[in-house]
Amino acid sequence: NAGVTQTPKFQVLKTGQSMTLQCAQDMNHEYMSWYRQDPGMGLRLIHYSVGAGITDQGEVPNGYNVSRSTTEDFPLRLLSAAPSQTSVYFCASNKRQGASEQYFGPGTRLTVT
Amino acid sequence: QKEVEQDPGPLSVPEGAIVSLNCTYSNSAFQYFMWYRQYSRKGPELLMYTYSSGNKEDGRFTAQVDKSSKYISLFIRDSQPSDSATYLCAPRDNQGGKLIFGQGTELSVKP
Repeated sequence: NAGVTQTPKFQVLKTGQSMTLQCAQDMNHEYMSWYRQDPGMGLRLIHYSVGAGITDQGEVPNGYNVSRSTTEDFPLRLLSAAPSQTSVYFCASNKRQGASEQYFGPGTRLTVT
Repeated sequence: QKEVEQDPGPLSVPEGAIVSLNCTYSNSAFQYFMWYRQYSRKGPELLMYTYSSGNKEDGRFTAQVDKSSKYISLFIRDSQPSDSATYLCAPRDNQGGKLIFGQGTELSVKP
């Protein structure tokens, strides 16, 4: 099993550009989520999904879109990048919502200039 | 006020020291309390978790929850340089099972 994979590892964007961060898991997990991690702020939930076709907002959803067309994939789209979106982004998956262990991907470091 | 507060450190200790990492939280409905470890430039990994109040031990690590004072602790005995990482506490939201992360404490264990 590859676990949770994320691409790209690093990305630099200019303000106003859009892009998609990719996330995939091969563990047949129902629940997937996106976090951003900023210094002094811990991990904050952006969006999550309890299964294919179902998504919901987390704590900091503005400026981001998600979709879940398959169990395996959960891409995160930045619609019009802003410097405030400079962060490290982590995708995570659980067997199901509320399961005790959440598996994290290696992260994507995004810089918006 | 944040739901979960954690001293960000950094905390530097000599090898072999006992380390105490702590969090406070405000939501009395939290029942599960996770500790994640995150090495530099990696994703977090679950270290251990406890349910409700009490202690749980796993090797050199002990997790402790005091629900009456809303206080969560992680103790590391005989700390090793390989324990150098950021430790994040994360109570779990009962409503939807979402994790609420503290800011993380950066620990450095010096040989």
